[in-house]
Amino acid sequence: SYDLAQPLSVSVALGQTARITCGGNNIESKNVHWYQQKPGQAPVLVIYSDRNRPSGIPERFSGSNSGNTATLTISRAQAGDEADYYCQVWDSSTLVFGGGTKLTVL
Amino acid sequence: EVQLGESGGGLVKPGGSLGLSCAASGLSFSDTWMTWVRQAPGKGLEWVGLIKSKPDGGTTDYAAPVKGRFTISRDDSKDTLFLQMNSLKTEDTAVYYCSVGRDALHVWGQGTEVTVSS
Repeated sequence: SYDLAQPLSVSVALGQTARITCGGNNIESKNVHWYQQKPGQAPVLVIYSDRNRPSGIPERFSGSNSGNTATLTISRAQAGDEADYYCQVWDSSTLVFGGGTKLTVL
Repeated sequence: EVQLGESGGGLVKPGGSLGLSCAASGLSFSDTWMTWVRQAPGKGLEWVGLIKSKPDGGTTDYAAPVKGRFTISRDDSKDTLFLQMNSLKTEDTAVYYCSVGRDALHVWGQGTEVTVSS
């Protein structure tokens, strides 16, 4: 099975840039998607296919994917960005999620 | 606007069965692949399975922990997705979400809570 590795937690100062990584074997060959989940709420897609933003997602959210690491970047972090973030790929007809990263905005 | 609404959650004893529904609106449901994802208390997201649109074959795929116990089906005439869960185990306790998409999951329902406990 395909494994996705995310850091358990990332901290960022208010207004600074947060980077959340998602590691997987040759992940650059896959489309990586990112979800934001706030407590008690359903997940929300924030980046799809490595770097595309759905309608309504601020430009502060961006993504990249190279080699064995995909990265979600949140610029000018706001208090409202504090949430759990999950990466996701498809592999062999199964959908795989990373373990999730808790983003804390200080 | 695409909207999804799950229902049917509740408390069930180990070994029991439960059926969930997901009502969809605002999309061409019959052309859409649908997915179930669950989240155990305090844990991350876990894929349960999917059903393809009938034009794409209408087939299903399941995660290993639920294969043989869970069945996903759809009624395109009613824009509704189903998840039939049999032989439930305590580790199936989770919030169950339905979602839209065949690669990225673009829209999610609010979830329905399933508790498996004696």
